[in-house]
Amino acid sequence: SQTIHQWPATLVQPVGSPLSLECTVEGTSNPNLYWYRQAAGRGLQLLFYSVGIGQISSEVPQNLSASRPQDRQFILSSKKLLLSDSGFYLCAWTPTGGGNSYNEQFFGPGTRLTVL
Amino acid sequence: GNSVTQMEGPVTLSEEAFLTINCTYTATGYPSLFWYVQYPGEGLQLLLKATKADDKGSNKGFEATYRKETTSFHLEKGSVQVSDSAVYFCALRRILGNQFYFGTGTSLTVIP
Repeated sequence: SQTIHQWPATLVQPVGSPLSLECTVEGTSNPNLYWYRQAAGRGLQLLFYSVGIGQISSEVPQNLSASRPQDRQFILSSKKLLLSDSGFYLCAWTPTGGGNSYNEQFFGPGTRLTVL
Repeated sequence: GNSVTQMEGPVTLSEEAFLTINCTYTATGYPSLFWYVQYPGEGLQLLLKATKADDKGSNKGFEATYRKETTSFHLEKGSVQVSDSAVYFCALRRILGNQFYFGTGTSLTVIP
């Protein structure tokens, strides 16, 4: 079976510090991968998605970046955090291949980021 | 474009009450439709889905029917429990697309 991991679970960082959040998926190959942000009491904002190694689509211009160095690894980064970067960050994946248009997304447990 | 509009919350119900959370969508083509549930401090879990018109998704007593004529996918449950307290998200995936479009979420609190 497939599983998705995110770490760290919780992070408190000062303004201006760097960020690296990691997401890995097990039990599948060539998944589509996604990063979302959820501000307190708000809906989901798609930040990035990737359909393959080194292929990143950015949905919202901001001071975050994403990379996919391996097939099942997706990293969210920032060089200098802002207060507005605080939120709950969710990684998700979907299968690819035949019939994939009907497949749901599977979400990780999330990372709670607080920027002080 | 593609979008999902769902009922504003928060919703507060007594245990065993009937639940409806409205969801309507705008999409090109024929999307797949989903309901997700998020418990406090956790990621989203798929609750149910429907991939074509008139399909009914169901799970854990929740149901939703894909209504193409009204572009709706309303979530219903006949008798809610305290354990159903969570945030519910309606979402669509466009056919042949990689992106998902989520509603803003509806917070449900069930009181004993």
